[in-house]
Order: sequence, then structure tokens, then C-alpha cells
Amino acid sequence: AQSVSQHNHHVILSEAASLELGCNYSYGGTVNLFWYVQYPGQHLQLLLKYFSGDPLVKGIKGFEAEFIKSKFSFNLRKPSVQWSDTAEYFCAVKDRGSTLGRLYFGRGTQLTVWP
Amino acid sequence: EPEVTQTPSHQVTQMGQEVILRCVPISNHLYFYWYRQILGQKVEFLVSFYNNEISEKSEIFDDQFSVERPDGSNFTLKIRSTKLEDSAMYFCASSELAGAYNEQFFGPGTRLTVL
Repeated sequence: AQSVSQHNHHVILSEAASLELGCNYSYGGTVNLFWYVQYPGQHLQLLLKYFSGDPLVKGIKGFEAEFIKSKFSFNLRKPSVQWSDTAEYFCAVKDRGSTLGRLYFGRGTQLTVWP
Repeated sequence: EPEVTQTPSHQVTQMGQEVILRCVPISNHLYFYWYRQILGQKVEFLVSFYNNEISEKSEIFDDQFSVERPDGSNFTLKIRSTKLEDSAMYFCASSELAGAYNEQFFGPGTRLTVL
């Protein structure tokens, strides 16, 4: 079975600081990778995804993530965070061979950005 | 922009009672999912549903749980006899397509508290 680890449970930053949230997964096969974000009181939204090709993917709101296959990692980054980035961030993977697309999530990282 | 909606946003119930959590998926979507997140833990897959049948379920989805699409719009999760450990945030999701490349759109969640 898949396992997804997010190393940071709560990250606190000041505005303009750089962000990196770690995500590692364990699975023997090929996976598709996702980052979701949940703003306070809102639904989970897709931030970015990686299927194949360039391992550096760009998402919405200035976020990007890098897939490093040898490290089984898909870390999320943003060069300069804003107060509005305060949210919970979830890394998720799917077995590429899955016919139904069940997602395996990490525990989530709460990001708090101080103005 | 179409969204997945869930009601209620918060449900409090006594142990042993039945609860029904409701979801309205995006109208042209055909695949439906329930996930849950116990406080401090990972978001976990419960069940997927397509063509009025369960497609896949996890080990968590035991006989106490059932899902139904009673009409053309609602998708419900029923817990027959709630336990304390059922307290969690329950997320509904839907997707237009199946498979590892689909995007699942999530609702805002229902927080279930079992006393």
C-alpha cells in the first residue's frame, strides 16, 4: 500500500519568507503526485500535480513542486509567502495503474503566515 | 465555478445513533468518493462509487457504513451506529473521469462529533 509522509505538521513564517514543505512517499510502482490546499472554511483545492515530464511543476498562486524520483520526494515550494497562503497543505499520490484513482494523502501541514 | 457541497458542516451525535452525511457532487461528474480525516491524522480513503455501485472500499469501510445516490444529485454516507472513533472530518469528492489522471474535486467537509 501507498504511504505518504509530510514531515512538518505546523510551519510558521513571516510574509516574504521562503517556503518548502516536505513530502515523501513509499510505493514500488509509478505514481502521480498532487498537492492540495485547504484554506480556512473552504474545500480542498488542487494546487498542482505531476504526471510525467519536467520534474519541476508550477501550480497556482506561485507555488511549485519538484519531483525527485531517487528520493521518492515531491516537495512544495514558494519563494515568498503571503498572509493569504495561510492554509493546510496536503500531499497526495495515486497509483498510476489505478483504474479508479484512489488518493493516498499525507497528514497535512498547517502553514501560518504572519503579516 | 461548479463546486461540491456538503451538509451539514458540523454534526454532533450520540454514540450508537445513525447519521447521514450529504454531498452534492458537481453535476456532470460520474465518480464519487468519501474520505475522512481524524484529528491529527491522515486523510483516509473510505469508498468510491460509480454507476450506482461501490467500486472500491478501504478496510475502514465496514458494515456500519453505506453509501447511496438516492436521486440524481445527492450522494450520501450513512453510519448506522456511530462510535466515538468515527469522530472525524468527512470529505466528499467527485470526478468527471476515473483513473490515475483524473482530478477529484472536494467538498468543504462535514465535521462529525460523536459523544
